[in-house]
Amino acid sequence: QQQVRQSPQSLTVWEGETAILNCSYENSAFDYFPWYQQFPGEGPALLIAIRSVSDKKEDGRFTIFFNKREKKLSLHITDSQPGDSATYFCAAMNQGGSAKLIFGEGTKLTVSS
Amino acid sequence: NAGVIQTPRHKVTGKGQEATLWCEPISGHSAVFWYRQTIVQGLEFLTYFRNQAPIDDSGMPKERFSAQMPNQSHSTLKIQSTQPQDSAVYLCASSARTANTGQLYFGEGSKLTVL
Repeated sequence: QQQVRQSPQSLTVWEGETAILNCSYENSAFDYFPWYQQFPGEGPALLIAIRSVSDKKEDGRFTIFFNKREKKLSLHITDSQPGDSATYFCAAMNQGGSAKLIFGEGTKLTVSS
Repeated sequence: NAGVIQTPRHKVTGKGQEATLWCEPISGHSAVFWYRQTIVQGLEFLTYFRNQAPIDDSGMPKERFSAQMPNQSHSTLKIQSTQPQDSAVYLCASSARTANTGQLYFGEGSKLTVL
């Protein structure tokens, strides 16, 4: 019962291109959606997050687009750099409920130069 | 400021042995979370504490796994009678008092290998 799903499992883009990572969820009670970035040998680190009252959140080259009706969101990484190569996890939580984050399976992004 | 500290970084045990993993949260953080990471299952929630009290252990296997937080500066995850399927990276994370914002600070993890 995967409550948060991500696609694709892996993605390769060229340096300078826009990478698009997708995420969907099942639980309508989820209202907070952070994305975490993980490099090999390290723990995940918060990259950017959005609340369900917003449909877009931007931070530099990283933008989250959120569609509450369809229970979908996506992370766009513009002008991708080799240093962006990492695994990206979409997560979800209900801020009014348990504080636990539910993570998706992750998307492994490779940026080729 | 030091981040979340996990020890050991690597542990190899034989089938049936016990493994104890330690986590030191960031000073001042009131919540501590444990996750398990594998290639197949991804990041699985195990349990979490707030102000040292267990709040949600819905992800913990009912047998052989236990977690404690005896004081605000450390938490332990104990696995009894380890099995090969317990092999994973066990991640500890902490979050600040104001919490419920989803901002977890993860340690580098403890990689457990059960032979």
